Amino acid sequence: GQNIDQPTEMTATEGAIVQINCTYQTSGFNGLFWYQQHAGEAPTFLSYNVLDGLEEKGRFSSFLSRSKGYSYLLLKELQMKDSASYLCAAMDSNYQLIWGAGTKLIIKP
Amino acid sequence: ETGVTQTPRHLVMGMTNKKSLKCEQHLGHNAMYWYKQSAKKPLELMFVYNFKEQTENNSVPSRFSPECPNSSHLFLHLHTLQPEDSALYLCASSQDGQGDYNEQFFGPGTRLTVL
Repeated sequence: GQNIDQPTEMTATEGAIVQINCTYQTSGFNGLFWYQQHAGEAPTFLSYNVLDGLEEKGRFSSFLSRSKGYSYLLLKELQMKDSASYLCAAMDSNYQLIWGAGTKLIIKP
Repeated sequence: ETGVTQTPRHLVMGMTNKKSLKCEQHLGHNAMYWYKQSAKKPLELMFVYNFKEQTENNSVPSRFSPECPNSSHLFLHLHTLQPEDSALYLCASSQDGQGDYNEQFFGPGTRLTVL
């Protein structure tokens, strides 16, 4: 079966760094997406990885290891507005996204 | 501003009612999606339309009926729903339904409560 695993909830301190992990098992693989979703709002795209390695985009970076079926999202210099759910999704061989349940990130002052 | 709008934002309906959800995208995309989001569960893909043709129906009960009159509009017709259908219904669009880097843009969702 197809499956995405990510932690349910994480807590971090303003100004710190947090890493949100995601493991995936899919029928075929066409890339890994990270989305951010604030409470009551639409998910918004953060990153896409299809090759192994680290992609950096400002305070956010995303890493992929295809051989391990593993990705992480790294958030630096945390701000209160980063409190949100972070959704990991892997694209399977049919180009459909298989979604994780999301990681709720709580930022404390 | 995501370019994908959904109406209504909130809907309360009885089990015998008939209602419709509407989604419109202003991005020139060719693929549109309906998802169901329940608390603490992964997004569940319901339907996919690619160039107005339905390409995916994930074993969704017949009380949910999609309609895609053109590439910019997507409807979800609801009839005889159950309380467990209460959830956030999200619409999304992408350039097309095939291809690897196919970022999906989401609407704000319709919060549905079935009494």
